[in-house]
Amino acid sequence: LAKTTQPPSMEAYEGQEVNVSCSHTNIATSEYIYWYRQVPHQGPQFIIQGYKDYVVNEVASLFISADRKLSTLSLPWVSLRDAAVYYCIVTDHNYAQGLTFGLGTRVSVFP
Amino acid sequence: GPKVLQIPSHQIIDMGQMVTLNCDPVSNHLYFYWYKQILGQQMEFLVNFYNGKVMEKSKLFKDQFSVERPDGSYFTLKIQPTALEDSAVYFCASSFWGTGNTLYFGEGSRLIVV
Repeated sequence: LAKTTQPPSMEAYEGQEVNVSCSHTNIATSEYIYWYRQVPHQGPQFIIQGYKDYVVNEVASLFISADRKLSTLSLPWVSLRDAAVYYCIVTDHNYAQGLTFGLGTRVSVFP
Repeated sequence: GPKVLQIPSHQIIDMGQMVTLNCDPVSNHLYFYWYKQILGQQMEFLVNFYNGKVMEKSKLFKDQFSVERPDGSYFTLKIQPTALEDSAVYFCASSFWGTGNTLYFGEGSRLIVV
């Protein structure tokens, strides 16, 4: 399993763009990158996944470096509702032992 | 989006008693999971379940834990007997395919063992 490293916390004001980085230097060719977030008193929620290059959906965008050792989750125009712990998870599609959640990055948003 | 429902949301129970946590997964999902999160700590995988069987379980899934989906509806986590260290929030999740697919989580069942 590839281990991930994320900053423990980040802060932003409403309307700003937030970029959360994730280092996964030992990522295997079979592994994908997933991002989930967890707001207080709720379960984690899937945000986006990718394998290489650039992925975008209605919530966020994900940039993956050419060597796939670094990914960056970008949240445009954050609001107070985006305050959460963001988890970067690397796993292959055949891995059965569940997702491994680290400590994540706590994103605080101020009005 | 798809919803996973968990019942109860909170439960306080005396040490040594049995508790059953219920999960109503997304209707067409085939894989089911339980996770444990102690306050302020990271979420930890307990077990996953497919086709009526436990597929994988972690070291946290003690002998006192059991899972089943008896009538094809609720996916349950039973702890018997409970211990103080079982106090945590238990999250159920489901997915259509295996782990590589998106997991949908419930809002958790907060268990307090006294």
